[in-house]
Amino acid sequence: GQGVEQPAKLMSVEGTFARVNCTYSTSGFNGLSWYQQREGQAPVFLSYVVLDGLKDSGHFSTFLSRSNGYSYLLLTELQIKDSASYLCAVRDPGNAGAKLTFGGGTRLTVRP
Amino acid sequence: GPKVLQIPSHQIIDMGQMVTLNCDPVSNHLYFYWYKQILGQQMEFLVNFYNGKVMEKSKLFKDQFSVERPDGSYFTLKIQPTALEDSAVYFCASSYPDWGASAETLYFGSGTRLTVL
Repeated sequence: GQGVEQPAKLMSVEGTFARVNCTYSTSGFNGLSWYQQREGQAPVFLSYVVLDGLKDSGHFSTFLSRSNGYSYLLLTELQIKDSASYLCAVRDPGNAGAKLTFGGGTRLTVRP
Repeated sequence: GPKVLQIPSHQIIDMGQMVTLNCDPVSNHLYFYWYKQILGQQMEFLVNFYNGKVMEKSKLFKDQFSVERPDGSYFTLKIQPTALEDSAVYFCASSYPDWGASAETLYFGSGTRLTVL
């Protein structure tokens, strides 16, 4: 089965950066996704990675190390509105439409 | 971007009653999902659905739960009868039938907050 772990909370300062960590253990690997979820709202897709290394998407970048079962989401030039929960999810191997297993989410608080 | 609509946004019912949660997925999507999230906790997979059939269901998808999408209408989650522990937010999601990054993107609705009294 799949196990996905994230720290529950993270705090950072406006204008700096935040790194949200995610570790996973899987019986197979078919990619890892990051979602942003604001209080009371739907999760919104941010990024998907399946190859090792850093994927730079501007404000959000993602890193993956498959051998270590580790990923992070890096937010740069933080704004107050980046305060939200960030969810890491791994997809079951196999066919399209396979389920995503989510971590518990990291609640990021950006303070002035 | 693409929108998934969920109706109703809130539902309060008495334990033992039946409830149907409705989801209008993105129009060209063919894979559908239900997730359960208790306030402040993890998003937990319930079931996925394709071509009129359940692909996989979790242990949370009790015998009292059922899903269907008759004739391309709403994708529904029915709970009959409901129990106190069914109180949660239920999120519907859909995805596009392709490989690569687009297949990995689940589009979520805003959820239905179910309260069982």
